[in-house]
Amino acid sequence: QQQVKQSPQSLIVQKGGISIINCAYENTAFDYFPWYQQFPGKGPALLIAIRPDVSEKKEGRFTISFNKSAKQFSLHIMDSQPGDSATYFCAASIGGAQKLVFGQGTRLTINP
Amino acid sequence: DAGITQSPRHKVTETGTPVTLRCHQTENHRYMYWYRQDPGHGLRLIHYSYGVKDTDKGEVSDGYSVSRSKTEDFLLTLESATSSQTSVYFCAIRGTSGDYEQYFGPGTRLTVT
Repeated sequence: QQQVKQSPQSLIVQKGGISIINCAYENTAFDYFPWYQQFPGKGPALLIAIRPDVSEKKEGRFTISFNKSAKQFSLHIMDSQPGDSATYFCAASIGGAQKLVFGQGTRLTINP
Repeated sequence: DAGITQSPRHKVTETGTPVTLRCHQTENHRYMYWYRQDPGHGLRLIHYSYGVKDTDKGEVSDGYSVSRSKTEDFLLTLESATSSQTSVYFCAIRGTSGDYEQYFGPGTRLTVT
């Protein structure tokens, strides 16, 4: 049972463009929504996270937009750079135990 | 890397053999997790621990057991490895401040032939 659905599976963006990755969730009890970035051969690294009491969070070139009523959240990467080429995962969890449920991942390629 | 090491980093084993993966942390975190990563599935939680000798099942726990006899070590055991357990295994810890973010180790690539 996939509780978090991520799209697209792969994405190609030109340098300087905006990369947008979307996630949809089913369980309204989720209260924490992180995004992870993963480079080949490495573990996932936390990029940015949001809680459902805010609609947007920005850290540098990375922004999470959160739509509680639609049960959707998205990652926007502004001014995308070749170094942003990686696989991105959205996730969700409930409560302090933080048992993360991940989306399937998006392979992002930024063309120079 | 939040002080997380995993061993071994790569392992090839035969079907039916037992395998133990080790996760070691140096920062006294209470919560530790084991995930597996497979193409098309993202990461899926196998087991987690919320203290010494305190563990619970995750989404895909069948065929796996865990143990935590001291704070710094969390062991994942495949009692009798199967080809479906070929995967990359990641250990994670939960931080102790802010949003209690999870930080992942470098992973162990396991191949069961």
